[in-house]
Amino acid sequence: EIVVTQSPLSLPVTPGEPASISCRSSQSLQHSNGHTYLDWYVQRPGQSPQVLIYMGSNRASGVPDRFSASGSGTDFTLKISRVEAEDVGVYYCMQTLQHRTFGPGTKVEI
Amino acid sequence: QVQLHESGPGLVKPSETLSLSCTVSGGSISGHYWSWIRQPPGKGLEWIGYIHYSGTTKYSPSFWSRVTMSVDSSKNQFSLNLNSVTAADSAVYYCARLTSENFFYWYVGVWGQGILVTVSS
Repeated sequence: EIVVTQSPLSLPVTPGEPASISCRSSQSLQHSNGHTYLDWYVQRPGQSPQVLIYMGSNRASGVPDRFSASGSGTDFTLKISRVEAEDVGVYYCMQTLQHRTFGPGTKVEI
Repeated sequence: QVQLHESGPGLVKPSETLSLSCTVSGGSISGHYWSWIRQPPGKGLEWIGYIHYSGTTKYSPSFWSRVTMSVDSSKNQFSLNLNSVTAADSAVYYCARLTSENFFYWYVGVWGQGILVTVSS
């Protein structure tokens, strides 16, 4: 089973400032087709999770362009270029290469 | 716009079977993959598995000995059965739809609101 870890687990942020979250997998998430099998989700307080990024670096429809993701192999990063108050919540990465496994989550708070 | 709504008992006794349904509105169950994800209170997300509208399933290794998913196209519903439950199965259970932009990669594009299930005698 692919194990996914995240750091930090808690991230204090300042509105207007950048923020980044790291995600690491126990095995490479590069598929033989060349694509990265990793998604990013956010669960805002009191809400169901929603997708931010799929297949490594593709922003889902409606996601603001202040969110970006990068990485390959086993190391990945989600970046928020300028944090807004509405970005508070718990951010999860999830590998999709073998079954699906979520990371433990990173709580972003102002 | 597709909406998902979970339903089922909020309380299940230990050793019994947890049974939930997810009703799809605003769209057809056909042609899609449907999944179940859970979140124990105060904890992170756990992937349970998914089912294709045709009935093909793929379960997480953590659950495959206890889980069964099914689709009822006539009701535009899909279901989750988890047997031999313990207190550790207490969680908010989400049903969800997998979305694809390219027909080879699917992500969780639509989530239900979640239903809290408590396992207790």
